[in-house]
Amino acid sequence: EAGVVQSPRYKIIEKKQPVAFWCNPISGHNTLYWYLQNLGQGPELLIRYENEEAVDDSQLPKDRFSAERLKGVDSTLKIQPAELGDSAVYLCASSLESAGGSDTQYFGPGTRLTVL
Amino acid sequence: QKEVEQDPGPLSVPEGAIVSLNCTYSNSAFQYFMWYRQYSRKGPELLMYTYSSGNKEDGRFTAQVDKSSKYISLFIRDSQPSDSATYLCAMRAVSGSRLTFGEGTQLTVNP
Repeated sequence: EAGVVQSPRYKIIEKKQPVAFWCNPISGHNTLYWYLQNLGQGPELLIRYENEEAVDDSQLPKDRFSAERLKGVDSTLKIQPAELGDSAVYLCASSLESAGGSDTQYFGPGTRLTVL
Repeated sequence: QKEVEQDPGPLSVPEGAIVSLNCTYSNSAFQYFMWYRQYSRKGPELLMYTYSSGNKEDGRFTAQVDKSSKYISLFIRDSQPSDSATYLCAMRAVSGSRLTFGEGTQLTVNP
């Protein structure tokens, strides 16, 4: 079974430029997450999708960040314009939501963003 | 104050040692407790999963949850160099799926 796929793996851009990250979740997983991980820190949730619906985006800085999950499968996270403080690893995860609430999140390898 | 506190280390042990990793938390609503392992430049992978209080063992790994003390632990027996990684605790409440992570403990097992 293929895992969560993310691209690109690495991205270097100058500040004020736009950038986009792509994620393809595990087949059949209805829930998709985008996390931000700063160096030496644990992942922090940016947004959670259940199918096409963003059900938790309270931590997403909406002035510059946007996300979409068309057709409830793969997803794109965009930053425009990027700032120096956005340098981090952006992780995508997916899970199969179950009635018992014991869904396991499977993470992709992440996209390492460097803003110069 | 962070909801989940984890000693960031780094922790360095000789091969074969018993390793103890710990997290404390403040949110009494947390019911599901997990340990993730993250190798350098990789995403986290689930290692252990525990519901409510108690112990769970899987090979060389044992997870313990003490809800009365709001304290969870991961023990690694007979540690191997391949166990060298960052270990993240994570937890969430019964309702909803938002995971709250600790900041991770960096472990090095020296051959």
